Amino acid sequence: DGGITQSPKYLFRKEGQNVTLSCEQNLNHDAMYWYRQDPGQGLRLIYYSQIVNDFQKGDIAEGYSVSREKKESFPLTVTSAQKNPTAFYLCASRGTSGGNEQFFGPGTRLTVL
Amino acid sequence: GENVEQHPSTLSVQEGDSAVIKCTYSDSASNYFPWYKQELGKRPQLIIDIRSNVGEKKDQRIAVTLNKTAKHFSLHITETQPEDSAVYFCAASISNTGNQFYFGTGTSLTVIP
Repeated sequence: DGGITQSPKYLFRKEGQNVTLSCEQNLNHDAMYWYRQDPGQGLRLIYYSQIVNDFQKGDIAEGYSVSREKKESFPLTVTSAQKNPTAFYLCASRGTSGGNEQFFGPGTRLTVL
Repeated sequence: GENVEQHPSTLSVQEGDSAVIKCTYSDSASNYFPWYKQELGKRPQLIIDIRSNVGEKKDQRIAVTLNKTAKHFSLHITETQPEDSAVYFCAASISNTGNQFYFGTGTSLTVIP
């Protein structure tokens, strides 16, 4: 489905633990994005990366961290500093030459116990 | 930065009727406007998009119109069917860049059989 995958599909975490969500794409896209979606809400941007080894904060970056060491991968770490991490997390990627569409991964549902 | 507003937040129509969802944007530099459909628990999927050099685009029962002067664009679904029930998001971006997408807050469409 569009060549972008996320794992795991469901994740449970105890309070105070850091957890890392995986996002991989084989579309050769330069740009990658992380969004958070709460029930009945829209998409809020956490971080995005336009190129390897570079990323920018989105609207709600506090309590999250990312890395972009490879073009194909953009993992998101939810740290213990994130006060309300239970949500649906969506990763997306976008080509920057000749294309406009942003492709989404299937999402990871994180629940803090 | 860009600000995208979307209305209405919920919409109920009888099967066979038309549905219209409207969005406005603030940044005249935005030139790419996609619409996404998201079913419950699933990833957003692109259903139609339009660039700023076009005023209208149609794909079977779905159409999008764009008024650059007024900075608004609309999604039109004709002959609605129960499977059209979902949440629809509009977005604005600058094409062919890794810049972020700015999403509307979503419209929950219910088609009543």
